[in-house]
Amino acid sequence: EAAVTQSPRNKVAVTGGKVTLSCNQTNNHNNMYWYRQDTGHGLRLIHYSYGAGSTEKGDIPDGYKASRPSQENFSLILELATPSQTSVYFCASGDYDNQDTQYFGPGTRLLVL
Amino acid sequence: GDSVTQTEGQVALSEEDFLTIHCNYSASGYPTLFWYVQYPGEGPQLLFRASRDKEKGSSRGFEATYDKGTTSFHLRKASVQESDSAVYYCALSGDTGYQNFYFGKGTSLTVIP
Repeated sequence: EAAVTQSPRNKVAVTGGKVTLSCNQTNNHNNMYWYRQDTGHGLRLIHYSYGAGSTEKGDIPDGYKASRPSQENFSLILELATPSQTSVYFCASGDYDNQDTQYFGPGTRLLVL
Repeated sequence: GDSVTQTEGQVALSEEDFLTIHCNYSASGYPTLFWYVQYPGEGPQLLFRASRDKEKGSSRGFEATYDKGTTSFHLRKASVQESDSAVYYCALSGDTGYQNFYFGKGTSLTVIP
């Protein structure tokens, strides 16, 4: 019973198209995060959220939007996808009461052609 | 601002070798320090954490000791196995306010049988 799930696991998109990546957590954590992972860069924070209705910009927010409609769900939206957004995206939930220990989903591999 | 530095980008060892991956941090106060491991095709998963000076974290034969004097949290394992091949991330969670979680760039470990 995975606590953080992501969908889709793989996605191929066209340049200029809209892409939505979804994340669901059953940890009942207030904090949620979106990262991208690229060779040579490690994990880079895109957006995060403190709870339902809140979204905050991370270190590399340009070209991305986020939505947190509920405690459990956190989406990452690419309104106009570009090839430079080809990457692996990870969602995490964070336990603020436990030093914000983060628990990750399995990742979404996105290819923008 | 707070930061984490991992010295080694890639490490290649033979089975039964001793492993050290260096992690140094910069943060005020007493951050919580973490080691995460990421196996191919999966999201990062928590290996262990430590919150106090001289506290030792350990799991699966890996260990690290929180050293505030040298601002370090080096990962060690006495005898690596091929199954330890993965990417290892050092991270910290600051003790001042929200969104104070930082990852190092990661160290890719390859263990040759």
